[in-house]
Parts: sequence; C-alpha cells; structure tokens
Amino acid sequence: RKEVEQDPGPFNVPEGATVAFNCTYSNSASQSFFWYRQDCRKEPKLLMSVYSSGNEDGRFTAQLNRASQYISLLIRDSKLSDSATYLCVVNPPDKLIFGTGTRLQVFP
Amino acid sequence: NAGVTQTPKFRVLKTGQSMTLLCAQDMNHEYMYWYRQDPGMGLRLIHYSVGEGTTAKGEVPDGYNVSRLKKQNFLLGLESAAPSQTSVYFCASSNPEGAARETQYFGPGTRLLVL
Repeated sequence: RKEVEQDPGPFNVPEGATVAFNCTYSNSASQSFFWYRQDCRKEPKLLMSVYSSGNEDGRFTAQLNRASQYISLLIRDSKLSDSATYLCVVNPPDKLIFGTGTRLQVFP
Repeated sequence: NAGVTQTPKFRVLKTGQSMTLLCAQDMNHEYMYWYRQDPGMGLRLIHYSVGEGTTAKGEVPDGYNVSRLKKQNFLLGLESAAPSQTSVYFCASSNPEGAARETQYFGPGTRLLVL
C-alpha cells in the first residue's frame, strides 16, 4: 500500500463548479498535512496546510480526519487558473511523503 | 530574492557519463533536499541535508552522491548515468524552525534525459 494515495483524475469541471479531492495516508504517526499545487512542467508550491479543525483560504477548504486517515481539499467556484495537479503531502516524523497528485482541468 | 535556483534546466547524457546538478538558495535555509519526479511515482527523496557539511540518504539514494560544502548550495552528482535516472530533479529548501521546517520551497527543476 502506498503511504499516500490520491485519485489521479483527471477531474474535468466547468468554471464555477465545486470540486473535492481526497487523499488517504497509511502512517498513523503522521503529524502534519499539506496540499501543494503543481502547474504543468513547473515546481510544486505550497497551497495550504491542513489543520485538525479544518481551515479555509478563500475558495479553498482543507479538512483532516485523523480517525479515518484522510485529507480533503474542496475548491469552490473553480477558475480556469485552478487547472493544475494537486499534491497531498503528509509528514510522518522527519520527512515529507508526496502523493502522486490529482489533476484538475477547469474548462470554460 | 531569487529563492531556489537550479542549474542546468535541461541536460542530455549518454549512459555512463557523469554530471553535477547545482542547487542554490538565498533564503538562509538550513535544510535542503533533492527529489526526483517520475510519472505515476510522485516526488521521491534522494538525499537531504540538515546543515552545512551534513548529508543523509533519502528514499532512493543509489546512484547519486551529494555535497553541502556551503550553506546556500547543495550539489547532486551522478557518477555513471543510467537510463533509469531519466527524470525531473527538484531541489528544495526549508527553515528548521517549528512548522516552517515543513514548508519546502522548490526550485524550477532540472530535466535529465539519459540515453
């Protein structure tokens, strides 16, 4: 079983749609959780951290369920510029484990 | 403030050739990392460094060596390139203080093709 698993997609959604990605992790000792965004042929960039209580940043909402060991990312009112690959990242002690990413394509 | 830079951006090697990838950061970060990214595999850690003069193995270290002689630079070496090392290589850095340690800043990547 992979340490971090994501649905690879692609998710093809129209502008204005709401889309949700899930990610599961296997190491129950994981302490921190993140979503990174990676544009085509570019480097990953931190989108947001994921806190136990859930957190929101504009149109983006991240949630963590420790009991079920999954993380989610919700994007509301999708924009064309949201088209990218979203990487789920988990921090067991002393390292970061990257998921393979979920590709999102927003169309007009 | 350039952040993290990588040299070269693209390189083609023949099997058995050697090369060094250079990573430089101007954020005064203590921690630096080398990853490779392959289709369907996600980012995998090759080697990392928690400070000048120190290095450690990551998940996939075989066939690579690293050096951290200066705090701002982290070099990745391939002594004898193999086609399996065809990949996109990303360098990253982070600050060790608290939660900031877990936020990694990535360079633009080096695309390596080994024939």
